[in-house]
Amino acid sequence: DTGVSQDPRHKITKRGQNVTFRCDPISEHNRLYWYRQTLGQGPEFLTYFQNEAQLEKSRLLSDRFSAERPKGSFSTLEIQRTEQGDSAMYLCASSPGPSSGSEQYFGPGTRLTVT
Amino acid sequence: GESVGLHLPTLSVQEGDNSIINCAYSNSASDYFIWYKQESGKGPQFIIDIRSNMDKRQGQRVTVLLNKTVKHLSLQIAATQPGDSAVYFCAESSGGFKTIFGAGTRLFVKA
Repeated sequence: DTGVSQDPRHKITKRGQNVTFRCDPISEHNRLYWYRQTLGQGPEFLTYFQNEAQLEKSRLLSDRFSAERPKGSFSTLEIQRTEQGDSAMYLCASSPGPSSGSEQYFGPGTRLTVT
Repeated sequence: GESVGLHLPTLSVQEGDNSIINCAYSNSASDYFIWYKQESGKGPQFIIDIRSNMDKRQGQRVTVLLNKTVKHLSLQIAATQPGDSAVYFCAESSGGFKTIFGAGTRLFVKA
């Protein structure tokens, strides 16, 4: 399977703990995106990368959130001092590049539960 | 602020009938309008998009219509099948970057 993969698929953590999620995009996709989705809602944009450069961050991404894509391939999303409101599905997507249009390829998501 | 929304939260159709899912948007500056399908436990899956300078685009069993005058987007699914049961999101983007999603419409297909 050469689609977008995310790890872990599920994470349960206690409030105040730090968590880190990983996303492996489709090989050779230059763009990588992170979204957050809560039940019954559409995905909310968090941030995106063009290769290793983080080009835009949503105001939803508080100082507790940080994302990296150090070598322009996989990406990590870290949440520090988790809060119950952070409970959501965290989705990663990738796309080929500037001339590829609007299509993004999504991974299965990491479901975070903060207790 | 920017928003993309949907008229109906759920839609129930008979297998074999055509489905129409509607969406209202507010940001006229977007250059793509997109439909995604999301099945339970999976990430969204791209269905079809339409550029802002078009008003209709057809795919396999799907047609997207864009009415910029009233800022309305619709997805038509022909001969709806049980496998079409899912949540459908309309979305908009500029330059293929940040994509803004609506809240979704759940489509139920009755056999």
